[in-house]
Parts: sequence; structure tokens; C-alpha cells
Amino acid sequence: EVQLVESGGGLVQPGGSLRLSCAASGFSFSNSWMHWVRQAPGKGLVWVSRINSDGSTTNYADSVKGRFSISRDNAKNTLYLQMNSLRAEDTAVYYCARAPPSFDYWGQGTLVTVSS
Amino acid sequence: QSALTQPASVSGSPGQSITISCTGTSSDVGAYNYVSWYQQHPGKVPKLMIYEVSNRPSGVSNRFSGSKSAYTASLTISGLQAEDEADYYCSSFTTSSSWVFGGGTKLTVL
Repeated sequence: EVQLVESGGGLVQPGGSLRLSCAASGFSFSNSWMHWVRQAPGKGLVWVSRINSDGSTTNYADSVKGRFSISRDNAKNTLYLQMNSLRAEDTAVYYCARAPPSFDYWGQGTLVTVSS
Repeated sequence: QSALTQPASVSGSPGQSITISCTGTSSDVGAYNYVSWYQQHPGKVPKLMIYEVSNRPSGVSNRFSGSKSAYTASLTISGLQAEDEADYYCSSFTTSSSWVFGGGTKLTVL
């Protein structure tokens, strides 16, 4: 059974940092491109970032470029998202998902709240 | 990286068919056949319904179908059922090696 389990969310002050993790199982993680997608409360899905299978190539949405960093540890079957200089508008549920090119597996999401 | 354009809401009666449009540009929808559609019920995780414009994953009802013409992709749901009431999102790969979602469409089954 495919499982993606996110962790690391929580309440953080503006300007703060947080590191999200996504533990994968049930599929070939090391051969899969992985993504982070977020959804602000009551809003739509927004693509955040992706990393290729060996971690050598990454891409980011303009809204997070320079502040967020995606990485992976294939030995641990784990995906990460390091989030720095957090803003109120980063408040959202963050999902990890597998693609390309379609997001076929999704985690349950972890809530990040940026507030003072 | 502007969001793809979807209608905010659509509605239909049980048994009817509805179509949700998803309009992009030459840099996304018009560039590749990598358009996909997702269903999301309130408080739930998005579910892949259509991939690569018109393909259904295993287990998805054949009442769901997809198509594309130029810069606009479409999701059609035939024989509407109460359980189809949900939010629907389209997504496309882009020429910038990024992905973009539509703003979402709320489907109401009357």
C-alpha cells in the first residue's frame, strides 16, 4: 500500500523557519519525482516545489523561490521542505505528492500556520 | 505562473452531464498533453481523476472523461450522482518546468 506521511507542521511566527518531512512507502521512492503542493484554508491547490529522483534538479514557484528549499534522502525514503522567512500568506496545509506528470499519490497533509 | 482559469461553480441535476473548463496559455495547457484533473471532497485529500488530458486511472468511473482543444481542457461528468459533489481542480505541466493548478470549481448536484 502506498503511503505518504507528512510531519513537521505547526505554529510559527512571521520570519521564522520550519522543516517539513514526508515519509514514503509502498512504491519506488528513489525513482519518483516528488512535489510539495499547498492549500490555504478555504482556497485552492497551489504547486510549491518539485525535486527529481536523484535530487539533482529542483524547481520552485515564484512565491517561495529563495525562501524554501526542497530535498530528499532516498536511503530514508523521505522528502523534505525547508521553509525560511515564513510569511502569513504561507499559512496552508502542505501536501507531498508524487508526479510526474500527474499527482497520483498524495499524503494527508500537514498544517503550517504563520502567525504572531 | 498564473493559475489556470476555471469557473468558480457549476451545477447539475442527478443524471445530467456537466462540463468544467480549464483555460491556460501556450506555456502550459497548449504546450503539452500533461493536463490532469483532481476531485477533492471537503476535508479530504485530492484524488486524481484524469491524467494526460483524457486517461482515467484504474478505479475511476467511466462517467468521467477529459479532452483538450488548443489552450482549453475540459472535464465532463456524465450521469451526475450525489457523490460527485466536490471541488475539481485542473493542473498542467508548464514550459518553465513547473506545474500550475486551476483555481478550482465547486460542483453542486441539485
